[in-house]
Amino acid sequence: KQEVTQIPAALSVPEGENLVLNCSFTDSAIYNLQWFRQDPGKGLTSLLLIQSSQREQTSGRLNASLDKSSGRSTLYIAASQPGDSATYLCAVRAILSYNTDKLIFGTGTRLQVFP
Amino acid sequence: NAGVTQTPKFQVLKTGQSMTLQCAQDMNHNSMYWYRQDPGMGLRLIYYSASEGTTDKGEVPNGYNVSRLNKREFSLRLESAAPSQTSVYFCASSARSYNSPLHFGNGTRLTVT
Repeated sequence: KQEVTQIPAALSVPEGENLVLNCSFTDSAIYNLQWFRQDPGKGLTSLLLIQSSQREQTSGRLNASLDKSSGRSTLYIAASQPGDSATYLCAVRAILSYNTDKLIFGTGTRLQVFP
Repeated sequence: NAGVTQTPKFQVLKTGQSMTLQCAQDMNHNSMYWYRQDPGMGLRLIYYSASEGTTDKGEVPNGYNVSRLNKREFSLRLESAAPSQTSVYFCASSARSYNSPLHFGNGTRLTVT
């Protein structure tokens, strides 16, 4: 059974730090992994999607890596800013069978960046 | 650029009452989804629709029904609300390809007393 875990559950850092958020999954049979950002009282915003054949994706100050064989992904945020404060969730699109897949979410890392 | 729009934003129901949550997307996406988000449990899929005219159960479909009214709209109905259905409900959509990202609405916060 595919399970997605995010550690730590919460993180508080001073502005300017480079930081890494972790996501692990138990089954390497995936199509892709997505990172989302969720602000309080809002929906999820897709940040990066890494296909299973890719190793990393970059968008601005964000870089996400994927190591399918070890079941790990990291989201690297460079030069963090208070505006980065949010909950970050990862989700894997797990392959269940031929033509059947399922998006499975982790429970998120709540990030606070203080000035 | 509206994206995915959900209504209402907030709702309080008494046990046994019914209501319909509305969702519409303007991105011409084929697939639409309903999730619920509960503290400590992450997002769980209630129902999804891979294309207009089709719907399928997700992980937690009991107590809910859905309608894919057309390509744009996907509604979620609670026929007889229960306190266990107190949650935040999110609608999402994506293009047909499994490598397409999901786009979420801002959610409906539902309380059942």
